[in-house]
Amino acid sequence: DQQVKQNSPSLSVQEGRISILNCDYTNSMFDYFLWYKKYPAEGPTFLISISSIKDKNEDGRFTVFLNKSAKHLSLHIVPSQPGDSAVYFCAASRSDSWGKLQFGAGTQVVVTP
Amino acid sequence: DTGVSQNPRHKITKRGQNVTFRCDPISEHNRLYWYRQTLGQGPEFLTYFQNEAQLEKSRLLSDRFSAERPKGSFSTLEIQRTEQGDSAMYLCATSKSIGYTFGSGTRLTVV
Repeated sequence: DQQVKQNSPSLSVQEGRISILNCDYTNSMFDYFLWYKKYPAEGPTFLISISSIKDKNEDGRFTVFLNKSAKHLSLHIVPSQPGDSAVYFCAASRSDSWGKLQFGAGTQVVVTP
Repeated sequence: DTGVSQNPRHKITKRGQNVTFRCDPISEHNRLYWYRQTLGQGPEFLTYFQNEAQLEKSRLLSDRFSAERPKGSFSTLEIQRTEQGDSAMYLCATSKSIGYTFGSGTRLTVV
């Protein structure tokens, strides 16, 4: 059962513009959400997270928005840079689940000059 | 702190053979997870250790799979009688709390 969904398998954006990645979840028990970035032949690296008690968290060029009523979160990257080209995974966790993460299928971002 | 180390990076094996992967965690991280990632999918949870205790196993982990974490340090994941469907990237991740550090993974190819 796919409880975390990233419906856009790919996104192409021009350098300097905003990248918006979307993620939907079905399990209302999730209370912590994370975004990971993955380059080929490497493990995912943590990017940014948000607790369900917040609706926005910002870290430099990265901002995550959470809409609990819609069970939707998004990651904004602005401005996009060529080094941002990677696969981005959305993940969700429940506080009673030992930190186990449910991941989406990922969105491949390509930033073009 | 040299990060999470996984060995080998790549493994090619014949169907029916046994394989073992190793994960060396960040030293102060007491939580250790194994995930499996197939092409076009996100990582899927396999199992979780808190120190040396294996506290949860996914139903994805069939009887052919076994994981250990002796003395709460490194961990091994063994697959017996490998099948072509076992071909995947096997990722280890460790943490002290929410949010992981992943290793670079072991890519298994079963031929």
